[in-house]
Amino acid sequence: KAGVTQTPRYLIKTRGQQVTLSCSPISGHRSVSWYQQTPGQGLQFLFEYFSETQRNKGNFPGRFSGRQFSNSRSEMNVSTLELGDSALYLCASSPQGSGANVLTFGAGSRLTVL
Amino acid sequence: AQRVTQPEKLLSVFKGAPVELKCNYSYSGSPELFWYVQYSRQRLQLLLRHISRESIKGFTADLNKGETSFHLKKPFAQEEDSAMYYCALSAPDNYGQNFVFGPGTRLSVLP
Repeated sequence: KAGVTQTPRYLIKTRGQQVTLSCSPISGHRSVSWYQQTPGQGLQFLFEYFSETQRNKGNFPGRFSGRQFSNSRSEMNVSTLELGDSALYLCASSPQGSGANVLTFGAGSRLTVL
Repeated sequence: AQRVTQPEKLLSVFKGAPVELKCNYSYSGSPELFWYVQYSRQRLQLLLRHISRESIKGFTADLNKGETSFHLKKPFAQEEDSAMYYCALSAPDNYGQNFVFGPGTRLSVLP
């Protein structure tokens, strides 16, 4: 069973640009959530999608957005990049039912903003 | 609002010694608690969850609602236990799950 796949793995952008990150969940998982990981703030929840609907959103500015497609793949977008957006962005998927809370993480997309 | 604290950023123990990684939480409802672990150059992965009441790799964790704690324990640490450990809380609501992670504790098991 393939794991959670995130692309790209590494990217470098400059301030003011925008970026789109992609996440393919484990087959059959319908919930996808996104996290920002930084040395200073740790793991912070961005948003969660289920069946193409955003169910929860963390405390991030509107520059951070996401969506989920009918095949459960998800993308997140950050517009007008700032230096502080440099981070590892992790995607996690989870199944329905009793195991719904168990997150399986991808390897992450490391974003550097110059 | 829910919050998870892990007071130790770094914990060093010798091989064979007992280890306890502390986790406290604040949440007014009935949360689910988890421990996730990240070994060097590996993905963040689930170690254990409180509702399973399992022992994984010799680790156990008991949810203490009175003290709002979910400490992770192992009687005899091994060098391969060296990793970053995150305590996490899931606060289910009407619209799905909302995970909050603690800042993490780096465990270093010395030979």
